[in-house]
Amino acid sequence: GQQLNQSPQSMFIQEGEDVSMNCTSSSIFNTWLWYKQDPGEGPVLLIALYKAGELTSNGRLTAQFGITRKDSFLNISASIPSDVGIYFCAGPYRDSNYQLIWGAGTKLIIKP
Amino acid sequence: EPEVTQTPSHQVTQMGQEVILRCVPISNHLYFYWYRQILGQKVEFLVSFYNNEISEKSEIFDDQFSVERPDGSNFTLKIRSTKLEDSAMYFCASLPTLGPTYNYEQYFGPGTRLTVT
Repeated sequence: GQQLNQSPQSMFIQEGEDVSMNCTSSSIFNTWLWYKQDPGEGPVLLIALYKAGELTSNGRLTAQFGITRKDSFLNISASIPSDVGIYFCAGPYRDSNYQLIWGAGTKLIIKP
Repeated sequence: EPEVTQTPSHQVTQMGQEVILRCVPISNHLYFYWYRQILGQKVEFLVSFYNNEISEKSEIFDDQFSVERPDGSNFTLKIRSTKLEDSAMYFCASLPTLGPTYNYEQYFGPGTRLTVT
């Protein structure tokens, strides 16, 4: 079935570092979504991508919709402490107008 | 800024009991969803709801689950006879409308943590 694989599973970063994470699938997706979840909170949409090759920014965040439509990347520049949390990629379930399927998440942790 | 709200924030129940989780979606939104997230795992779709009926449901959403929009503002998820494995965060989400590309930009509530003992 459709699956989204995220890597890395977790990242330890220094404040000020740039961060990259990705999401891949063996299936083609027509939409990629990136959400962030803070502890005890619901996911918050960061960026939505609708077109292969599209590069979209939201402040220090930039996401790309891979040309093959089987992957997407999220980059965070100059990380700050409030960037910690879990970043999920999500995409529409095949033949569905409503369902999203989700990756397992990349956990961002600031090194002390 | 309008937001999705959920109550209670934490519910503890005994196995076999019924629970009702409540959500108030954003007021002009038309599409409503429930998701589940078992601790440390990925978010899983349960059900979508539009025009007072279920649009889609996942394999997880079996006969012990039901949803309702009782009064035009609340959206509820009922679990009839809870099991230990129902312990999870339950998130409600809503969407204003369906369009050619914006079907998936769902707004999530803060979640209800359900603990079944």
